[in-house]
Amino acid sequence: GAGVSQSPSNKVTEKGKDVELRCDPISGHTALYWYRQSLGQGLEFLIYFQGNSAPDKSGLPSDRFSAERTGGSVSTLTIQRTQQEDSAVYLCASRPSGGAVSYNEQFFGPGTRLTVL
Amino acid sequence: AQTVTQSQPEMSVQEAETVTLSCTYDTSESNYYLFWYKQPPSRQMILVIRQEAYKQQNATENRFSVNFQKAAKSFSLKISDSQLGDTAMYFCAFMKRPGEKLVFGKGTKLTVNP
Repeated sequence: GAGVSQSPSNKVTEKGKDVELRCDPISGHTALYWYRQSLGQGLEFLIYFQGNSAPDKSGLPSDRFSAERTGGSVSTLTIQRTQQEDSAVYLCASRPSGGAVSYNEQFFGPGTRLTVL
Repeated sequence: AQTVTQSQPEMSVQEAETVTLSCTYDTSESNYYLFWYKQPPSRQMILVIRQEAYKQQNATENRFSVNFQKAAKSFSLKISDSQLGDTAMYFCAFMKRPGEKLVFGKGTKLTVNP
């Protein structure tokens, strides 16, 4: 079946503009994660959605970052007033629910490369 | 907070040879999960192998195996019979409890030379 998809693949924006990054998880996966991959910081957790529970926002670096997940499926990561340090690859991952160990695997999308000029 | 350290930023190996990538981690948990992910130039993160801390037996997936030393908090990845397609960034990752976020190391860039 289809994997996790993300759009756009690449995004170039000017400092101060807002951007929206989209993630389409694998159908039926109840958990969704956003990570950021930057040269200086490596891979960092941003936010985690699990079903109808309140999201874990503990990784969001500032209040310019927000995310929502509509209908338990598609998620949008929004960055307001972008800064040059926001330049990075933003990765989305989804995971099925269940108690078996195999359900621990997170399936990643190809990421969105964001460049802030 | 958990931390994951990969001390080798870059490594290279000849095709068909064996290479070992190092990973250490810091945690006070007794049960947890460890993973190795591969990221080729396409950016797609692919799970290579996983290990549950409560299992003493080292995980193996075809040419990939791990050496899990719980007391030493070490989790190295061995790639046997290296292939050109193994060229990628390799990330070691820690998960405290099932379904929680992954904590990643900074990665090792592996190049397999013909």
